[in-house]
Amino acid sequence: GAVVSQHPSWVICKSGTSVKIECRSLDFQATTMFWYRQFPKQSLMLMATSNEGSKATYEQGVEKDKFLINHASLTLSTLTVTSAHPEDSSFYICSARDPKMDSYGYTFGSGTRLTVV
Amino acid sequence: GQQLNQSPQSMFIQEGEDVSMNCTSSSIFNTWLWYKQDPGEGPVLLIALYKAGELTSNGRLTAQFGITRKDSFLNISASIPSDVGIYFCAGQLATGTASKLTFGTGTRLQVTL
Repeated sequence: GAVVSQHPSWVICKSGTSVKIECRSLDFQATTMFWYRQFPKQSLMLMATSNEGSKATYEQGVEKDKFLINHASLTLSTLTVTSAHPEDSSFYICSARDPKMDSYGYTFGSGTRLTVV
Repeated sequence: GQQLNQSPQSMFIQEGEDVSMNCTSSSIFNTWLWYKQDPGEGPVLLIALYKAGELTSNGRLTAQFGITRKDSFLNISASIPSDVGIYFCAGQLATGTASKLTFGTGTRLQVTL
């Protein structure tokens, strides 16, 4: 089945620094990937749609200059949290769908827990 | 962004009991999906529903796509301890690989022995 890998699984950074999170589709090519953020005991909220070879599409209220997305290849999308602050601490999850699979369901990565201190 | 309403928000049940949870929306969707999320992990797809009125099973799980296309429910029969987790519904309007998912608020399930 389709596998999406995220790295790192957790990261702690100092306030004001930047953190990069990688999302890879291991056995399929993904022209589109999605980035979600999940706060404790809450649901997944879509942040942005990552498009291979073009600009990402951000959801309303998500700062594109703070959350930089790069989708330079068909198997890799990166999310960079720039000038991170404690309020950016959250669980970040990416997803993609293998177009060869019959199911419309998206495969999710295992998530990255970001803690900003 | 929009969220789908799930109920109940949480539930404590005993092993062996059946569980029902539902998901409602103010707008229609063309695909309904049910996911389970374990702590510290990403969601895992349980069941996908593609047609209004469709009833689909996956082992002890059964889900239905509401006739109005604005709701869905998930049943778990004979619950076991490993059913513990958070269950999310998700709606999808279009079917392409770039189509966004809208998630429900989640139902937290606790199973006691």
